[in-house]
Amino acid sequence: DSGVTQTPKHLITATGQRVTLRCSPRSGDLSVYWYQQSLDQGLQFLIQYYNGEERAKGNILERFSAQQFPDLHSELNLSSLELGDSALYFCASSVEGKTEAFFGQGTRLTVV
Amino acid sequence: DAKTTQPPSMDCAEGRAANLPCNHSTISGNEYVYWYRQIHSQGPQYIIHGLKNNETNEMASLIITEDRKSSTLILPHATLRDTAVYYCIVRPRGATNKLIFGTGTLLAVQP
Repeated sequence: DSGVTQTPKHLITATGQRVTLRCSPRSGDLSVYWYQQSLDQGLQFLIQYYNGEERAKGNILERFSAQQFPDLHSELNLSSLELGDSALYFCASSVEGKTEAFFGQGTRLTVV
Repeated sequence: DAKTTQPPSMDCAEGRAANLPCNHSTISGNEYVYWYRQIHSQGPQYIIHGLKNNETNEMASLIITEDRKSSTLILPHATLRDTAVYYCIVRPRGATNKLIFGTGTLLAVQP
């Protein structure tokens, strides 16, 4: 158990819908990262937050957004969902941006 | 970011040492070598990292060549639970955890 909690574990939704994925980092970790893993793209970095502020951005679509709240949990919002958004979404956290990251067990999103 | 090259797959007998190679010939002086693994569809798990000296922890050992162009992750006594995809990642010192995952090596531990 990495100490990073993601909910829900599974999510099935229809195209065009919007969903929110939640991540609770390890106690004391200020940095949160979101990754997407699809069959054809592998593990891709999406975005990083540090203590509530966006720190780094990767290949995140404009339809996707994230935020980190004062209690340090983070949410990834995915809107106007397409079939191609079906993937595993992982959250990771670290004490700060420079130490090793610990990953949650992921949310499996299926868009039908 | 420096790129890494890993064999796509390897087999290892249970109880034997698993030696996973990684080539990072374009690594810069301030870049660390990190290893993560991912057991089927679970979240990636940090294993070990190093700069230029060999490193060992409770999970594995990391051997980095003197020229730092390649490294080997060693699992001393592989078990069936070590079957996973192993990722070798190069990351600059002080950089954020914007990790660039390649395709990794699928290690299959055989009984």
